[in-house]
Amino acid sequence: EAQVTQNPRYLITVTGKKLTVTCSQNMNHEYMSWYRQDPGLGLRQIYYSMNVEVTDKGDVPEGYKVSRKEKRNFPLILESPSPNQTSLYFCASSRSGWGNEQFFGPGTRLTVL
Amino acid sequence: AQTVTQSQPEMSVQEAETVTLSCTYDTSESDYYLFWYKQPPSRQMILVIRQEAYKQQNATENRFSVNFQKAAKSFSLKISDSQLGDAAMYFCAYRVNRDDKIIFGKGTRLHILP
Repeated sequence: EAQVTQNPRYLITVTGKKLTVTCSQNMNHEYMSWYRQDPGLGLRQIYYSMNVEVTDKGDVPEGYKVSRKEKRNFPLILESPSPNQTSLYFCASSRSGWGNEQFFGPGTRLTVL
Repeated sequence: AQTVTQSQPEMSVQEAETVTLSCTYDTSESDYYLFWYKQPPSRQMILVIRQEAYKQQNATENRFSVNFQKAAKSFSLKISDSQLGDAAMYFCAYRVNRDDKIIFGKGTRLHILP
């Protein structure tokens, strides 16, 4: 089954404790992206990647890191999480080409205390 | 700056009726794509419909259609014969050809009244 998976689905952590949210897709997509969703703010793009070893900042990259060492994986790293990073996070992937549909993962609910 | 505005935070419609969700965007580009995504209570994001700016004909997918007004920078979504399963948050999104960023609006929550 074609899908985007994220782990963990739920995470409660404390300020300053490094964490990684994994994202993996099995569709051989070139484009991958991370978003955060907050009430009243919609989805905001954090980072995206056009292909292996190619990443770029979205609109809200501060406090986040990403890497793209393999085509299928695009982990999101919070080196020192803070309470303002409490949010719902989505990973998405698509074929290259700007009109293509993005396929979203199920979301990760992160709470930083 | 590229922005996408959804002016209706919430809307309600009677089952079987028609509803239109509005979306406007701000851009100086001439070549871009517009999308509507649906997020039901399950949180899963699903593509509803998309429109390329160079195509004059409005996109249609079954009960979903768009009214694309390029000069007005407007991209509204019409849902005909509303069904209970249409209840969701709807997001309008925009992607310009020369860039790889995707800009989403803040969303419209649609309630379907039985």
